[in-house]
Amino acid sequence: EVQLLESGGGLVQPGGSLRLSCVGSGFPFSYYAMTWVRQAPGRGLEWVAGISASGANTLYADSVKGRFTISRDNSNNTLFLHMNSLRVEDTAVFYCAKVADWLQFFFPFWGQGALVTVSS
Amino acid sequence: EIVLTQSPGTLSLSPGEGAALSCRASQSISSNCLAWYQQKPGQAPRLLIYDASSRAPGISDRFSGTGSGTDFTLTVSRLEPEDFAVYYCQQYGTSAVIFGGGTKVEIK
Repeated sequence: EVQLLESGGGLVQPGGSLRLSCVGSGFPFSYYAMTWVRQAPGRGLEWVAGISASGANTLYADSVKGRFTISRDNSNNTLFLHMNSLRVEDTAVFYCAKVADWLQFFFPFWGQGALVTVSS
Repeated sequence: EIVLTQSPGTLSLSPGEGAALSCRASQSISSNCLAWYQQKPGQAPRLLIYDASSRAPGISDRFSGTGSGTDFTLTVSRLEPEDFAVYYCQQYGTSAVIFGGGTKVEIK
């Protein structure tokens, strides 16, 4: 059974940093692209970033480019999202998701999410 | 950048009725690279449809996707109590992954 478990969420002040982790199991983690999608309270879904299976290629939404970095450690089946210069508007539940394929960027499996709150 | 507009914003229906949810793109989506997701309160989204009309594994045949180019529809036949949720479309035909704003299907 595919499982994705996020961790690292919490309360951070504006301008601060946070690192989210997502551990995958039940599938060959190193074979699949992965992604982060966020959802602000009471709002819709917003794609954040994606990374290829090897980690060699990354993509970012304009809203986070230059502030967030997606990375992965395939030896430990772990996906990361390093978030710097956080803003109040970054407050959201962050979901990691398995990507069907680098050329078919839809998301068959999702984790349960980690809440990030940016507030002073 | 492609913009996805979902309509209506809210659909009020009774169990047993059918639902038609629209997703309109500001420009043509290549190769029908469009997916639909269902999200219930407090839960992660669940993939229903990909490539505009292919049902994800384990998804009931009451869910069907149609459309091409700029106009796509998710149809839910014979609504069951568990179908009342928010539905999102998502395009993946370009490197900028975009979600629509969602349609809430609520019990009338």
